[in-house]
Order: sequence, then structure tokens, then C-alpha cells
Amino acid sequence: KNEVEQSPQNLTAQEGEFITINCSYSVGISALHWLQQHPGGGIVSLFMLSSGKKKHGRLIATINIQEKHSSLHITASHPRDSAVYICAVTALNTGNQFYFGTGTSLTVIP
Amino acid sequence: DAGITQSPRHKVTETGTPVTLRCHQTENHRYMYWYRQDPGHGLRLIHYSYGVKDTDKGEVSDGYSVSRSKTEDFLLTLESATSSQTSVYFCAISESSVAGQYTGELFFGEGSRLTVL
Repeated sequence: KNEVEQSPQNLTAQEGEFITINCSYSVGISALHWLQQHPGGGIVSLFMLSSGKKKHGRLIATINIQEKHSSLHITASHPRDSAVYICAVTALNTGNQFYFGTGTSLTVIP
Repeated sequence: DAGITQSPRHKVTETGTPVTLRCHQTENHRYMYWYRQDPGHGLRLIHYSYGVKDTDKGEVSDGYSVSRSKTEDFLLTLESATSSQTSVYFCAISESSVAGQYTGELFFGEGSRLTVL
């Protein structure tokens, strides 16, 4: 069973397009995380949120706790945004354990 | 950037040999984790630690052991490496709360690519 599901698995966009990646989870959480991994690279934390919305540059993350759903939006996408985006949750009552989605591979074409 | 380093970054070894990967942090975070990342599986937890000498198994712990003798170091050992352990290994750190406030951000090392021939 997957506690965290992401969609789509793969996404190709033209430069400048608005992009949305979705994440649904099935467990109680204390926080949700969006991570970014460039090809062959390390994993970087983009956002950690437990309610509402956060914005950083062209990236926006939202969460709906009641619906157990989060979205990551990228406005005015750029080829350098090409990466794998991973949704993760900090599960409640698990001693600070994390569950991860399998990632969304984004390619932005110039 | 969080101070977390992994060594070695790349290693090629033969089946049956022991391998130790090291994770070192300078953040004094309580929690440390070892994950492996394989195509189609995402990140899977091998072992984690919630304090010095306090460790527990993750979902893919068979064939791996860990030790944490100091807050800053978390070692992952493959006693006898197998080809199925060829993977990219990531160390991560987290802190659950500071002064009663939930923190919990997750920081990753750069990864260690292990190839077992």
C-alpha cells in the first residue's frame, strides 16, 4: 500500500506554462513536504507545510488537510525546473517517520 | 544549507565484501535516517536513529546494520554486499521540535552511489 500518491508520474511542458503536481495521502500527518531532485543530484527541501499555502519565487504549495491533498504549482515554468518532485509526509504517532511518493518527473522544453 | 555529508560518494565493490557508508551532520539534529533510492520504488527507509545508540529498522533493513555512537555520525554497514544492494543511498536528518515548536524539516545528504559487482 502507498501512503502517498502523486500524479502525474511524468509531465512534459513548454517553457512558460503553468504546472500543477498533485499529492494525496492516506495517513494522519503533522506536516507535508515537497522535495526536488535534479537528474543525478541530491534532494532538496522546497516546502514544509501543515496548513494553507506557501510561496517561494515561482513555486507555490497548498495543502487541504480535510481532503488530505496537496498541490505544487510552478508558474512561468523554465527548463531549469526540470527535475523530479517528491511529495512526503511526516506521519503522526510514528516517531517522526516519513512516507514518500514515488515522484513526478518534470521536463520543461524550451 | 544543512550541514550533512556522506562518504564515500561513489563506491564499486564485489559481492561478499563488507561496505560502510558514513553520514556526518553538524546540525545536532536528533533524527537520522538511511534511505535507498531505486527506479520505480522511490525512497525506502533502511534504518533510522532517534538518538545516540537508539536505532530501529525500516521497511528494507535485511542485510544492513547501523550504528550511532555520536550525535553527529550515523553509519550504515552492509556486512556482505550483494548485487541487489546496488543503489543510491541517502542519509537524511530531521528535528521534531525546538522549544516546543514543531520544526521537522527534512534535510538530505548528497547521496552515495554503490555498485556491487
